[in-house]
Amino acid sequence: IQLTQSPSSLSASVGDRVTITCRASQGISSHLAWYQQKPGKAPKLLIYAASTLQSGVPSRFSGSGSGTDFTLTISSLQPEDFATYYCQQLNRYPLTFGGGTKVEIK
Amino acid sequence: EVQLVESGGVVVQPGGSLRLSCAASGFTFADYSMNWVRQAPGKGLEWVSFINWDGDSTYSADSVKGRFTISRDNSRDSLYLQMNSLRAEDTALYFCTKDQFRYSTSWYKGLADAFDIWGQGTMVTVSS
Repeated sequence: IQLTQSPSSLSASVGDRVTITCRASQGISSHLAWYQQKPGKAPKLLIYAASTLQSGVPSRFSGSGSGTDFTLTISSLQPEDFATYYCQQLNRYPLTFGGGTKVEIK
Repeated sequence: EVQLVESGGVVVQPGGSLRLSCAASGFTFADYSMNWVRQAPGKGLEWVSFINWDGDSTYSADSVKGRFTISRDNSRDSLYLQMNSLRAEDTALYFCTKDQFRYSTSWYKGLADAFDIWGQGTMVTVSS
């Protein structure tokens, strides 16, 4: 199952609303997770089951979608949110990740 | 503190072999399925291999099938990745990851759980 993320990169300002999309090549129900990775660090789980916020993750992060189309939204971008974001499908092995979306400071 | 610490990454020649280890602490290792994920320099994430909590079921990416073997020793709280016939394209930072849910049977249905804990990674470089 291929996952296509868009955009591959974006520039945004603190306080902006940011939306990242992830499209699956076939239906995956709600079996999707989102991760955040900062330079030189391991990825961190943000959202699982497409829309469930992982414990400890700020509520400005939200996820939605099912089937083939999914979104990750950051309602008000904070300085610590500048990072690369990946979606991952958990519907079928082999598991796959999207290509990533790098969120940069405008 | 829940922690995963990988080790064993080195520079190895093409065709060579290597075993990576991942030491778990802060949780009951034997209760959780585990994975290896890799990231080539400057690239995205690639899932490599899965092993269920009691070690009797595994899955691997096509790119490593027949060359890499995932295993675990629950008595030592450790996960391993035996890597044979290494290629230049195996050069990457290798992370071990913990599945979210205890005693999960998602794998039995061909599904997976998200990875809630990641190690810091160990670097494998395949070069002559």
